[in-house]
Amino acid sequence: GAGVSQSPSNKVTEKGKDVELRCDPISGHTALYWYRQSLGQGLEFLIYFQGNSAPDKSGLPSDRFSAERTGGSVSTLTIQRTQQEDSAVYLCASSHSGSWYNEQFFGPGTRLTVL
Amino acid sequence: AQKVTQAQTEISVVEKEDVTLDCVYETRDTTYYLFWYKQPPSGELVFLIRRNSFDEQNEISGRYSWNFQKSTSSFNFTITASQVVDSAVYFCALSGEGSTGTASKLTFGTGTRLQVTL
Repeated sequence: GAGVSQSPSNKVTEKGKDVELRCDPISGHTALYWYRQSLGQGLEFLIYFQGNSAPDKSGLPSDRFSAERTGGSVSTLTIQRTQQEDSAVYLCASSHSGSWYNEQFFGPGTRLTVL
Repeated sequence: AQKVTQAQTEISVVEKEDVTLDCVYETRDTTYYLFWYKQPPSGELVFLIRRNSFDEQNEISGRYSWNFQKSTSSFNFTITASQVVDSAVYFCALSGEGSTGTASKLTFGTGTRLQVTL
């Protein structure tokens, strides 16, 4: 079946602009995660959605970052007033359930460049 | 707090050599899972293996094998007879019961870049 998809694959924006990154999880997966991969910080957890529960936002680096998940499926990560340090690859993953022992399946990522 | 350490930043081998990627972890959980992911040049993280903390049996899958030792908090990954297609960044990761109910997130190591040449 189809894997996790993300769009756009690349995004170049100017400092101060807002961006939206999209993730389509694997059909039937109830858990969805956002991670960020940057040279200086490695792979960092950002936010986690599980079904209709309140999301775990503990990894969001600032209040400029927000995410939502509509209808328990597609998710959008929004970065407001982008800064150069936001440049990174943003990875989305989904798993069958939110149980901590389930493997997570990752999308190809969105490479964000803030000029 | 959880922590995963991959001390080897980069390894270069010649094809057909065996190579072991090290992973050391720290956790206070008694029940946890360890994972290995592969990130080829295309960028997509590919799941390789999951191992729970109660199962210390070594696992072999083709040319891949994993050695889990709780006594040394290590979960090492060996590729036998390496091939050029094995060239990638390999990440070790950890998730555990946690204490806040939000332990589904993975804690990753910094990755080991493996370069296999002819």
